Amino acid sequence: ETGVTQSPTHLIKTRGQQVTLRCSSQSGHNTVSWYQQALGQGPQFIFQYYREEENGRGNFPPRFSGLQFPNYSSELNVNALELDDSALYLCASSRLRGGTGELFFGEGSRLTVL
Amino acid sequence: RKEVEQDPGPFNVPEGATVAFNCTYSNSASQSFFWYRQDCRKEPKLLMSVYSSGNEDGRFTAQLNRASQYISLLIRDSKLSDSATYLCVVNVNYGQNFVFGPGTRLSVLP
Repeated sequence: ETGVTQSPTHLIKTRGQQVTLRCSSQSGHNTVSWYQQALGQGPQFIFQYYREEENGRGNFPPRFSGLQFPNYSSELNVNALELDDSALYLCASSRLRGGTGELFFGEGSRLTVL
Repeated sequence: RKEVEQDPGPFNVPEGATVAFNCTYSNSASQSFFWYRQDCRKEPKLLMSVYSSGNEDGRFTAQLNRASQYISLLIRDSKLSDSATYLCVVNVNYGQNFVFGPGTRLSVLP
């Protein structure tokens, strides 16, 4: 077990709705990254949070937003859901500066948009 | 051109076979390199980091050629339990954006 937990594990939404996904990072890790993985594809980087600030962002529109809390847990929010947002959303914790660079993933939240 | 490209799969090999996966990356400023393994409907997990001098971990050998921007993974004496998708991962900004390839699926057959 990686010690990274995500919730919910599965959810179904309709187009135009909003969703919030949650992630608790591994103890001792100060960085959380979010990835989107469509079926049959590799994970795509959404953004990273380090010490409660966004520390890099991939090619995702502003309707994808996030937060990191003082305990290093994190949320991913997606507004105005589109059918193409259906995917597995993975949270990965790591230790920026002083870590090995390894990403520790949670089991993911599988989002279906109808 | 995609940032990280991998052999299209799937690879179906018998137990005991040797299999090699190839990966190329486009950003010459890439700093660190990894192979991750992802079992069906599970999260990716680090298999091994890839160092410039090449490195080995049991039956697994990883090679990096910075000049050619090429990474490889060799699995010797394949086991049924090696069946998974292998993801090539490249990091440009150390610790920040890890770029994943699309993955190559391996099935080891009895």
